[in-house]
Amino acid sequence: NAGVTQTPKFRVLKTGQSMTLLCAQDMNHEYMYWYRQDPGMGLRLIHYSVGEGTTAKGEVPDGYNVSRLKKQNFLLGLESAAPSQTSVYFCASSYTGTSGNGNETQYFGPGTRLLVL
Amino acid sequence: QKEVEQDPGPLSVPEGAIVSLNCTYSNSAFQYFMWYRQYSRKGPELLMYTYSSGNKEDGRFTAQVDKSSKYISLFIRDSQPSDSATYLCAMSAIRNPLGAQGAQKLVFGQGTRLTINP
Repeated sequence: NAGVTQTPKFRVLKTGQSMTLLCAQDMNHEYMYWYRQDPGMGLRLIHYSVGEGTTAKGEVPDGYNVSRLKKQNFLLGLESAAPSQTSVYFCASSYTGTSGNGNETQYFGPGTRLLVL
Repeated sequence: QKEVEQDPGPLSVPEGAIVSLNCTYSNSAFQYFMWYRQYSRKGPELLMYTYSSGNKEDGRFTAQVDKSSKYISLFIRDSQPSDSATYLCAMSAIRNPLGAQGAQKLVFGQGTRLTINP
């Protein structure tokens, strides 16, 4: 199993450009998440999905959109990139939610480094 | 005030030392406590998982939770250079505060950068 994969690994954008980050998981997980990681801020949740065709806003959703057309894929879109979106983006997935038996453990991808000039 | 506070370090210790990493939190609803390890330019990976209070041991790693003090710790015994990484604490409540059924919201600490010197 590849686990959680992310493409691209690194990208440079100019202010105002758009792009899509792709996350794929082969663990048949229902739940998928997008985080951003910034120095001194830890990981912050952008958007998440509890199943195919569903999405919801997290802690810092502004400037991002997501789609979950297939269970194994979760896309993060930046419509008009801004320098404040320079960050490392991590996708994660989990089998279930708050079951309390460890199945809600989130597994992370390797990250996408995004630089917006 | 952040929900979860973690000293960002950096922390540098000699090989073989006992390492203590800590987080404090303010939300008494947190029931699940995790430690993630993140190597440079990699994604976080789950290291330890604890439910409610108490200790959990896995090899050289021991996780402690003191809910009365809202304080969690990760101890690393006989530390190795391969333990050099950033360690993130994370925690969540039983019920999902985000509103969508079943989705778990993890609240992370800032991470502590640890270096084990040979």
